[in-house]
Amino acid sequence: EVQLVESGGGLVKPGGSLRVSCAASGFTFSNAWMSWVRQAPGKGLEWVGRIKSKTDGGTTDYAAPVKGRFTISRDDSKNTLYLQMNSLKTEDTAVYYCTTTSSWYGYFDYWGQGTLVTVSS
Amino acid sequence: SSELTQDPAVSVALGQTVRITCQGDSLRSYYANWYQQKPGQAPVLVIYGKNNRPSGIPDRFSGSSSGNTASLTITGAQAEDEADYYCNSRDSSGNHYVFGTGTKVTVL
Repeated sequence: EVQLVESGGGLVKPGGSLRVSCAASGFTFSNAWMSWVRQAPGKGLEWVGRIKSKTDGGTTDYAAPVKGRFTISRDDSKNTLYLQMNSLKTEDTAVYYCTTTSSWYGYFDYWGQGTLVTVSS
Repeated sequence: SSELTQDPAVSVALGQTVRITCQGDSLRSYYANWYQQKPGQAPVLVIYGKNNRPSGIPDRFSGSSSGNTASLTITGAQAEDEADYYCNSRDSSGNHYVFGTGTKVTVL
């Protein structure tokens, strides 16, 4: 059974930093493309960024609102995905979901339960 | 444009058919995928690619596409289908992804 378990969310002040993690199991993590998707309270889904598998180059892409502030990385030895968030803004307040990502169709097939990040003074 | 536009809300009588649409330029190049999200839960993929259902998704869910518009059809809507539905595709660059604005489906 595929499981994605996010952790590390919490309250942080504007301008601060936070790292959230996603522990993966039930599939070959090293072969998977992975993404972070967020959802602000009462709002829709927003793609944050994606990291390819190392065999496909391991490269990252980011949505414009977070580019230069957020960094996605992976540790295939630990089956764990990370999202490092710097220079946080109040508008980054959201539930952050870890997802597997189809390399071809661009769909997100498995989702974690999400972790809430609140940016507030 | 990298936006995907959906109607904010639709309603359907129990057992009837409802179609949810998603419009955007990227859909001329890429398939739309569809997600169901119930309150307090993570989204669930219900349709991907041309018209594919992941394991466990009922066959009352189907997808289609024409030009810059993709559609999700629920044939014989059930009470448990009441949820928010989102489309997504790659954006025009192919390296980013975009979600639709979401449609709230109410089953009457």
